[in-house]
Amino acid sequence: AQKITQTQPGMFVQEKEAVTLDCTYDTSDQSYGLFWYKQPSSGEMIFLIYQGSYDEQNATEGRYSLNFQKARKSANLVISASQLGDSAMYFCAMRESARQLTFGSGTQLTVLP
Amino acid sequence: GAVVSQHPSRVICKSGTSVKIECRSLDFQATTMFWYRQFPKQSLMLMATSNEGSKATYEQGVEKDKFLINHASLTLSTLTVTSAHPEDSSFYICSASRTGGATNEKLFFGSGTQLSVL
Repeated sequence: AQKITQTQPGMFVQEKEAVTLDCTYDTSDQSYGLFWYKQPSSGEMIFLIYQGSYDEQNATEGRYSLNFQKARKSANLVISASQLGDSAMYFCAMRESARQLTFGSGTQLTVLP
Repeated sequence: GAVVSQHPSRVICKSGTSVKIECRSLDFQATTMFWYRQFPKQSLMLMATSNEGSKATYEQGVEKDKFLINHASLTLSTLTVTSAHPEDSSFYICSASRTGGATNEKLFFGSGTQLSVL
């Protein structure tokens, strides 16, 4: 079974609008971490935001926020006030105890002027 | 934030030659380094996990004799693609871990290496 599922291969958003990128996960561990990374066309992986399984509040980092719904096992990324530079591939990832980071299939976000 | 340096960023080689890719953690000691492979428009697939001073652990289906990993120091890991063939052409990217396994550790990545085998 897929550990991380991203159901949106591609998304479009108008500049200055908000967009939500979906991510659901599957784990039986109690302790785990959820991450979002951005990969522009240059290929580098840029860390955006982290949510711990025990964190009660949703994580926020500037224009990025994570909508964490533990019971539903979802960790959606919300980008507010989209900018043209936000166009990139976005990966949701999970890290379970003493294991490596597992990535979803990614969502290609295109910000339209 | 932590910086991970990866070189070269792009390499083109002839079939049958070997290519070495370096991954360095510049401002911290990396107990563990991870090597990933990524095909166009696809996700990152873990190839192997290397711990300093010990043999790398390879994921199922990854040929350890084809992809040699050396983690000789706490700041350097190398991936050597031996006897490269066109099907080895791909984007290879490394990440470095201070802790080796903490669930809350933010992993930082190198900038990746695009390998093209002619």
